[in-house]
Amino acid sequence: GAGVSQSPRYKVAKRGQDVALRCDPISGHVSLFWYQQALGQGPEFLTYFQNEAQLDKSGLPSDRFFAERPEGSVSTLKIQRTQQEDSAVYLCASSLERGANTGELFFGEGSRLTVL
Amino acid sequence: GNSVTQMEGPVTLSEEAFLTINCTYTATGYPSLFWYVQYPGEGLQLLLKATKADDKGSNKGFEATYRKETTSFHLEKGSVQVSDSAVYFCALKIKAAGNKLTFGGGTRVLVKP
Repeated sequence: GAGVSQSPRYKVAKRGQDVALRCDPISGHVSLFWYQQALGQGPEFLTYFQNEAQLDKSGLPSDRFFAERPEGSVSTLKIQRTQQEDSAVYLCASSLERGANTGELFFGEGSRLTVL
Repeated sequence: GNSVTQMEGPVTLSEEAFLTINCTYTATGYPSLFWYVQYPGEGLQLLLKATKADDKGSNKGFEATYRKETTSFHLEKGSVQVSDSAVYFCALKIKAAGNKLTFGGGTRVLVKP
């Protein structure tokens, strides 16, 4: 497809389970971002990749959160031992440029995680 | 730190009404400013932007002017349509602080026919 694709769109996990969320960015996009959006809130930055390099992970809330982009295209956000406070929509965004200098990010529809 | 504050919604309007969504920011450097929009069932998409003081961003009948003196970037549209019903997010980016966007909490707008 032409846009950013995320899967699964919906995920229900029991507390303590591990989850993996996938992002397929637009082909050729260098920059890739993950954001967390709690209900009724704006997106909060988690981490940023430029190609396969993770240049900023300052927004990851704990060491239970891990992201990778091994070949510089598809990215996976993994959450270990999920907690109820991890319930949110996880957004992936990509940009053609290094550093997304123009600020124009292309967002996927998100993966909604519910932790019971 | 950097932050964005925007008016809480929901904002309910009739078609052809004037829309204003207030946005103010706090930044440690010189930010670029953005409005993103999220239509129902879709991902966020860039609506307009401004990169320096007094710049006006515009798109789809929406406008916002970068006001450094009041640290504001209010979004306006003169005559809204039902299709403008969406959630609107104000955001900033400071190049020296990395490449991430800092978003406000979003404002839901509902336009009734």
